[in-house]
Amino acid sequence: NTKITQSPRYLILGRANKSLECEQHLGHNAMYWYKQSAEKPPELMFLYNLKQLIRNETVPSRFIPECPDSSKLLLHISAVDPEDSAVYFCASSQSTISNERLFFGHGTKLSVL
Amino acid sequence: AQSVTQPDARVTVSEGASLQLRCKYSYSGTPYLFWYVQYPRQGLQLLLKYYSGDPVVQGVNGFEAEFSKSNSSFHLRKASVHWSDSAVYFCVLSRMGYAQGLTFGLGTRVSVFP
Repeated sequence: NTKITQSPRYLILGRANKSLECEQHLGHNAMYWYKQSAEKPPELMFLYNLKQLIRNETVPSRFIPECPDSSKLLLHISAVDPEDSAVYFCASSQSTISNERLFFGHGTKLSVL
Repeated sequence: AQSVTQPDARVTVSEGASLQLRCKYSYSGTPYLFWYVQYPRQGLQLLLKYYSGDPVVQGVNGFEAEFSKSNSSFHLRKASVHWSDSAVYFCVLSRMGYAQGLTFGLGTRVSVFP
């Protein structure tokens, strides 16, 4: 799926700051950040619709999302914790209507030293 | 509260055999139901979805699912699996009127052996 691109694919961090990037080429209005820990289903972190943050689940304050335009999504991470080791998926959908399918990127695998 | 239960964490099948993955949901309203598949080192992809109408829905790659309101189930089936069907399969529930309030099952890991 090259219609949603995420970078980087792999990230190894100590207690540094870093940003994950996502861009979708589908013309969708809604964009999401999901966290998937090992052997678990994805968990919603943030949801933007038309560049507005409309869902902000219980996420540590060291994770800060940004939506600079409707096709791009960033996730800024500061002072990572070992519990943050996971795969972070960006996803998009045409709208936030309940029956809309989500399109997922390949994910960024974050490993915290 | 809503929930999705996939009782089988792992399923192993031989290539060419049939496959059924079970999914039970709990939700007081009318659910939207999805099956997503996650191939190794990839994001999730939609297999099929159901909201209303014919309780048997067809999806991609020969998959189909059957909705049962009486049993609160949405089981996934495939008549003959291929080694490339090895993946993790998630049953997902969405609540009408709630912005993408998706509830995921824990997933079933399918391994297809030749």
